[in-house]
Amino acid sequence: GAVVSQHPSRVICKSGTSVKIECRSLDFQATTMFWYRQFPKQSLMLMATSNEGSKATYEQGVEKDKFLINHASLTLSTLTVTSAHPEDSSFYICSARDRQGRPFQETQYFGPGTRLLVL
Amino acid sequence: ELKVEQNPLFLSMQEGKNYTIYCNYSTTSDRLYWYRQDPGKSLESLFVLLSNGAVKQEGRLMASLDTKARLSTLHITAAVHDLSATYFCAVVYSGAGSYQLTFGKGTKLSVIP
Repeated sequence: GAVVSQHPSRVICKSGTSVKIECRSLDFQATTMFWYRQFPKQSLMLMATSNEGSKATYEQGVEKDKFLINHASLTLSTLTVTSAHPEDSSFYICSARDRQGRPFQETQYFGPGTRLLVL
Repeated sequence: ELKVEQNPLFLSMQEGKNYTIYCNYSTTSDRLYWYRQDPGKSLESLFVLLSNGAVKQEGRLMASLDTKARLSTLHITAAVHDLSATYFCAVVYSGAGSYQLTFGKGTKLSVIP
């Protein structure tokens, strides 16, 4: 099946620093990537939808200036948490949509997640 | 706004028993997914259900979809400890072509030996 990677898998940083998380589709082209955040014992919450070559669409309540998303190519999207604070500590998961799949077979492939801890 | 409700949220069951997890959603959707998540891990895709009456089975898990009732079930047969995990259903909202997934809150399943 399709593979999506994330890097890093785990990061610890000091409050006030910025952290970049990469999401790559390894064996397919992804016109759309999604970024989710999951707090402990909670469900996944969609943060933003990232389309290659255009600005990301953020969900209500997600600060676009704090969570910078760049989708510069069909295989790479990045999420940068700027000026991170302890409340940003979470599990961040990306997913990628395969552009080659027919619409009714379209599916999202999930990355392994990045655990962010802000001290 | 699409809402997805799962129940129960917590399920503790003995090995060998059967049980069903329910997933209700509020608006018409193209497809429904079931995922498994182990602690500290990402999501593992279990099933995708595309049409009314769809039924899929893999091992001790069987998923079904009733689009008229906007209900999907995940049935566990003769549970074993290895099935302990959190199970999420997710529904595609295809408004404006966005293909967003909306997740239920998850059902944490604990299978007791």
